Order: sequence, then structure tokens, then C-alpha cells
Amino acid sequence: EAQVTQNPRYLITVTGKKLTVTCSQNMNHEYMSWYRQDPGLGLRQIYYSMNVEVTDKGDVPEGYKVSRKEKRNFPLILESPSPNQTSLYFCASSRWTSGASSRGTQYFGPGTRLLVL
Amino acid sequence: GNSVTQMEGPVTLSEEAFLTINCTYTATGYPSLFWYVQYPGEGLQLLLKATKADDKGSNKGFEATYRKETTSFHLEKGSVQVSDSAVYFCALILDYGGSQGNLIFGKGTKLSVKP
Repeated sequence: EAQVTQNPRYLITVTGKKLTVTCSQNMNHEYMSWYRQDPGLGLRQIYYSMNVEVTDKGDVPEGYKVSRKEKRNFPLILESPSPNQTSLYFCASSRWTSGASSRGTQYFGPGTRLLVL
Repeated sequence: GNSVTQMEGPVTLSEEAFLTINCTYTATGYPSLFWYVQYPGEGLQLLLKATKADDKGSNKGFEATYRKETTSFHLEKGSVQVSDSAVYFCALILDYGGSQGNLIFGKGTKLSVKP
């Protein structure tokens, strides 16, 4: 089954304690992206990657890091989480080399709800 | 810049009512347009898309027509069901590489359908 998986689904942590949210896809997609969803603000892109070892900042990258060492995985790292990073996080993937229609057809993970105390 | 504007919600309808969720866009190029749906507790999933002017995307009884002259992509359904209760996102993507090739989302419209 084609899918994007995220772990953990729920996480409560304290300010300053480093954490990693994993994302994995089994569709051999070139493109992967992280979003955060907050009430009234919709979806905002954090980082994206167009292929292995190619990453770039989205609209709200401050306080986050990513890496893309393998095509299937795109972990999101919060080195020193703060309460303003409390949010619902989504990973997504898509084809990148087949035109705008394919690029826009993104497959989303189920989300990770993070609470930073 | 490039952007998507959706009608603000929440939208509350009775079962079998007609649904319209307005979406307009601003784009420097020629975008492809999408509607995504997010059911409670889940990630987003693609509902329908259209890639050129006058194209109609359709799925699960929902339809949207790409109107270049009005820069719109309104979502419609003739008879909503309780199971359609969700948040709906309009989005566009331009046919460029780099950051210009990322999906741009509207803020979402929450739909609640009452029995």
C-alpha cells in the first residue's frame, strides 16, 4: 500500500529537549516536504527536499532542521524545542520530475501532534 | 506574489444541501489547481485537480472548474452528507523548479454537515 508514515503520532516534551520526528514514504518519490498546521494559519511549509541531499527552506524554517540521506526518509529535527513549536506537523511526498500536476499531487502522512511545555 | 484565497468558515449545512466553497487565486504563471480534504484526525488527501483553463475536476460527487478569466476554482457538491464534514483546502502549483514549484495552500474552510 502506498503510504507516508510519521512517528511518533503524539509527543509531549519540554523546552530545550532535542527531538526528531521521522517520515518515510514507500512510493519512490523525489519530493518530500514538512508542514505545520496551526488554527487560523492553515498549512505552512517548513522545509522541502527535491531529492537526496537536496533540501531548502520553506516559509517557516526557524528552529527546525532536516536531512535527506535516503530517498525514502525525511526526518524533521527540533534541536531545542520551544512552546511556539507546539503544533500539528505533516510530512508529504510527491513525484517531482513529471510536471506540475504530479508535483501537486502530494501524499500526506497522518500527522504528528507535538506539545512543548 | 502567488496566493490562494478561500472563503472563511466554518460552513454549516444540513444533509442534502448544496455546497459551494469559493476559491480564487493570484499567480504569476499558469498554475495547476487542486482541492485537498482533511477529515478529522487525518492528513490531507487529494480530492480533485485541474491543470488547464476550463478543465473540470471531479471526485466523490465534488466538482470544480478552472476559470482563468475569473481566476477561480470553486468547489461544489449537489447534495452533501454528514460524512463530508471536513476541512477543505484549495491549492495551486506553478510549473517551475525550485521554490516556485511548491504547493501554495489556502487557509482551509471547515465544513460541518448536520443530519
